[in-house]
Amino acid sequence: GAGVSQTPSNKVTEKGKYVELRCDPISGHTALYWYRQSLGQGPEFLIYFQGTGAADDSGLPNDRFFAVRPEGSVSTLKIQRTERGDSAVYLCASSLTRGAGELFFGEGSRLTVL
Amino acid sequence: GQQLNQSPQSMFIQEGEDVSMNCTSSSIFNTWLWYKQDPGEGPVLLIALYKAGELTSNGRLTAQFGITRKDSFLNISASIPSDVGIYFCAGQLGGGGADGLTFGKGTHLIIQP
Repeated sequence: GAGVSQTPSNKVTEKGKYVELRCDPISGHTALYWYRQSLGQGPEFLIYFQGTGAADDSGLPNDRFFAVRPEGSVSTLKIQRTERGDSAVYLCASSLTRGAGELFFGEGSRLTVL
Repeated sequence: GQQLNQSPQSMFIQEGEDVSMNCTSSSIFNTWLWYKQDPGEGPVLLIALYKAGELTSNGRLTAQFGITRKDSFLNISASIPSDVGIYFCAGQLGGGGADGLTFGKGTHLIIQP
């Protein structure tokens, strides 16, 4: 596609449930990033993939959060046992090469945990 | 960890006025970037700066990478209504050390008619 695509655009779930958020990066982009943005804040780094491997997962808040990119393209962010504090917009971005600051963002997936 | 202080937090200006906002860091970055975010959208890259002291323009936008590598500013000349939005600075250490971007909290630009 022309840009980074994220699904779903909105997700409402109950506390304790499992959630998956999907990101389809720009074709040919090898680097993929996940960020979380709370209301009134800037995006907060979660994890970064170069190809299929997680090159840096230092931003994941705890072990309830996990992300995969099995074929080096589409990525899925997985959140187990969701908590109300997980409510935020989850942004995915991709860039052509590793270390290139020019990240292209999707529109985000808004997660609401009731 | 690294933190970016972005100011001002919000700006109320008249159409046609020039705008200036800046970003400072407690540690150095090797790349500085400026993004704009509209409601319900992801951030869109405006300008990327790769070298200390670099001054780069993109239309009515001008940004500079501070000599100390710990700061950057963004200027918008002759503001128009579509400039409304939230502007974020972001820094990247890179070099295989930390490729994720660190973002500021944003400057909310509001243009009064």
